[in-house]
Amino acid sequence: DAGVIQSPRHEVTEMGQEVTLRCKPISGHDYLFWYRQTMMRGLELLIYFNNNVPIDDSGMPEDRFSAKMPNASFSTLKIQPSEPRDSAVYFCASSLNPGQENEQYFGPGTRLTVT
Amino acid sequence: GENVEQHPSTLSVQEGDSAVIKCTYSDSASNYFPWYKQELGKRPQLIIDIRSNVGEKKDQRIAVTLNKTAKHFSLHITETQPEDSAVYFCAASIETGRRALTFGSGTRLQVQP
Repeated sequence: DAGVIQSPRHEVTEMGQEVTLRCKPISGHDYLFWYRQTMMRGLELLIYFNNNVPIDDSGMPEDRFSAKMPNASFSTLKIQPSEPRDSAVYFCASSLNPGQENEQYFGPGTRLTVT
Repeated sequence: GENVEQHPSTLSVQEGDSAVIKCTYSDSASNYFPWYKQELGKRPQLIIDIRSNVGEKKDQRIAVTLNKTAKHFSLHITETQPEDSAVYFCAASIETGRRALTFGSGTRLQVQP
């Protein structure tokens, strides 16, 4: 398996523009997580899905952020409109069911810069 | 919700010395405690984990200890090498409930050759 795949790897956009980050989890993993990493706030959970259903979105900073998982092999995180304070590295991670292997596998991340 | 505190934030050791990183957690229901290593510009990767029915776990030069009563767990790296230089994150979660990890703030370990 290729592991968790994220695209794009780097994104530079201007304030006010819409940004869409993409993630393909490891095949067979039932859980998908979106994290944001900044120097100031560290690694923060934004939202996670189980079997394509959002379970906990309490970490989503505000209504400008939205996430979807239309099927088991694809998820998106959208920011509209983007702001400079959204600049961060966004990681997607996936894992198997409870009771099985529990490790979360991280993707390579998307480095977002909003100018 | 869960809160995980990690210290120190930075740690510098000489090659061959041991390094210890400590974390405390707040939710007594947490029962899964992984440690991730993140090299500069790379993704976090699991290096070792421990579950609440175990007090200690070792994997070559790395060991983790857990004290559920005190709600703290520690990462021990012996015979450190320059390639151990990275940021280390502890985390906690409930395996059968809310499965999201709550991460500590990270420790930047620098191993001086």
